[in-house]
Amino acid sequence: SQKIEQNSEALNIQEGKTATLTCNYTNYSPAYLQWYRQDPGRGPVFLLLIRENEKEKRKERLKVTFDTTLKQSLFHITASQPADSATYLCALPPNFGNEKLTFGTGTRLTIIP
Amino acid sequence: SQTIHQWPATLVQPVGSPLSLECTVEGTSNPNLYWYRQAAGRGLQLLFYSIGIDQISSEVPQNLSASRPQDRQFILSSKKLLLSDSGFYLCAWSVYGATNEKLFFGSGTQLSVL
Repeated sequence: SQKIEQNSEALNIQEGKTATLTCNYTNYSPAYLQWYRQDPGRGPVFLLLIRENEKEKRKERLKVTFDTTLKQSLFHITASQPADSATYLCALPPNFGNEKLTFGTGTRLTIIP
Repeated sequence: SQTIHQWPATLVQPVGSPLSLECTVEGTSNPNLYWYRQAAGRGLQLLFYSIGIDQISSEVPQNLSASRPQDRQFILSSKKLLLSDSGFYLCAWSVYGATNEKLFFGSGTQLSVL
């Protein structure tokens, strides 16, 4: 069955450094992958989508890579700020059928001032 | 612009009591609608999915049910709550028929069953 793993439950990064989060998947050949941000007690908010034929996508201080050979996506936040502290979720569609996303369990990122 | 409303924000219910959570979407027509549950420290679990009025797909067998009486209204119900129904419930919508669809989530309902 399809499986998504986000490498760590929690990650602490010093302010100003680059935070890198990992999303690995198995038994998938997704056409795209999405990243969401979730603040405590709130719903997730869409950040970025990267397609299988794209190796890299950028949005301001955010960068996402997608390696379909390694079955892995990396999510980078450069020049991290305390306001970047949140849980970050990756999400993928199923191989077949309706496009209902499956989410990873998320990585809780804390940027330390 | 599109908005999604979900209420209540917090709910404490005794075991065995009924449940009704409501979600409405404004500013779009014929959206796909979803109910997710997020247990503490766990990922998002898809509960129900709807592509149209009275068209509901259930993803997980349980004592919950969903209904879509109107195009932009999605209701999550239970006749008798269990302790295991506690969690953070999220309604979401996406554009019908869009590829690479992204989800827009409501603010969630924190349900505690005691």
